[in-house]
Amino acid sequence: IVLTQSPATLSLSPGERATLSCRASQSVSSYLAWYQQKPGQAPRLLIYDVSNRATGIPARFSGSGSGTDFTLTISSLEPEDFAVYYCQQCSNWPRTFGPGTKVDIK
Amino acid sequence: EVLLVESGGGLVQPGGSLRLSCAASGINFATSGLSWVRQAPGKGLEWVSFVSGSGASIYYADSVKGRFTISRDTSKNTLYLQMNSLRAEDTAVYYCAKGFQWGYFDYWGQGTLVTVSS
Repeated sequence: IVLTQSPATLSLSPGERATLSCRASQSVSSYLAWYQQKPGQAPRLLIYDVSNRATGIPARFSGSGSGTDFTLTISSLEPEDFAVYYCQQCSNWPRTFGPGTKVDIK
Repeated sequence: EVLLVESGGGLVQPGGSLRLSCAASGINFATSGLSWVRQAPGKGLEWVSFVSGSGASIYYADSVKGRFTISRDTSKNTLYLQMNSLRAEDTAVYYCAKGFQWGYFDYWGQGTLVTVSS
């Protein structure tokens, strides 16, 4: 299953709302997660099963969608949210990640 | 506290071999599915291989099938990745990651860099 993410880069200011998209080449049902990665760090699980926040993840992060189209929303960007975001499916083997969306400071 | 600590990376010539290790603590190692995920310099994430808690289920990405072997030693709480016939395109940071729910990754190591170059 191929995952595509858009946009490749999102330039926003702190306090703004970020909307990231992930599209699957075939249905992944609800088996989709989002990760955040900062430079020099390992990825961090944010959202799993489309809309469940992982432990310790702030409520400003939310996920939605089903089937082939998914969205990660950050309601109001904090300075620490500027990073790269990846979606990942676990509906099928091999597990696959999207190419990522970089959220940078405008 | 969950800790996953990778080791074994380094510089290797094309066609060579390397074995990565991932020492785990703070998890129920015997019941935890574990994966290797890699990231080429400046690129995205690529899942490489998975082994179930029992070791009975193993999966590989097509890009490494037949060249890489995943294994685990429950007595040492350690995950391994034996990498043979290495290619330049295997150059990446290799992370071990703990499986969560159906196939997500909730804990990651800090990664170990493998560079394949002559």
